[in-house]
Amino acid sequence: AQSVTQLGSHVSVSEGALVLLRCNYSSSVPPYLFWYVQYPNQGLQLLLKYTSAATLVKGINGFEAEFKKSETSFHLTKPSAHMSDAAEYFCAVRGNDYKLSFGAGTTVTVRA
Amino acid sequence: NAGVTQTPKFQVLKTGQSMTLQCAQDMNHNSMYWYRQDPGMGLRLIYYSASEGTTDKGEVPNGYNVSRLNKREFSLRLESAAPSQTSVYFCASSEETGVNQPQHFGDGTRLSIL
Repeated sequence: AQSVTQLGSHVSVSEGALVLLRCNYSSSVPPYLFWYVQYPNQGLQLLLKYTSAATLVKGINGFEAEFKKSETSFHLTKPSAHMSDAAEYFCAVRGNDYKLSFGAGTTVTVRA
Repeated sequence: NAGVTQTPKFQVLKTGQSMTLQCAQDMNHNSMYWYRQDPGMGLRLIYYSASEGTTDKGEVPNGYNVSRLNKREFSLRLESAAPSQTSVYFCASSEETGVNQPQHFGDGTRLSIL
């Protein structure tokens, strides 16, 4: 079985500041990891995915995430926050089956 | 590109009423999923369909039934709605059930049970 823990349910950053969203996973097999973003009243959109090809994964909208096996982490970062980054972000993990296990989500607020 | 389309977008039901949530995808995906989203709990899988003609239970299947009508459509039915089923429901699809295939989501159905 696999699971995900997202540290911090809310993150507030200033426009132009670093965005860091933390995700730790638990998996008995090599994991496949995903970050999704959800804007208000919309479904989830894929930001990026880790599939073991490279430990640093670049996604859309300037986001990237680094897979660290020793720390069982897959933190999401963006160097400079934009107002349009205000949304809820979900980390998800999948093992050898079809099922995605989602974290509880982190809501990002961007201050002008 | 429509992607994954869910209907209705909003619905209010009384306890005990029944309802079917509709989902259709136009990406020729084999696999389809139903999730519910509740505050502070992320998304939880209700049922999934790996391919046309097959369905399987997910994490929280009690109180729900599904039908994979054809490759495009996957419906979720509440036979006797309960207040605990108040939630936002998302349908998703993916090319295969392969572990690295991302899922594509609809915009959700916001369901309130009084």
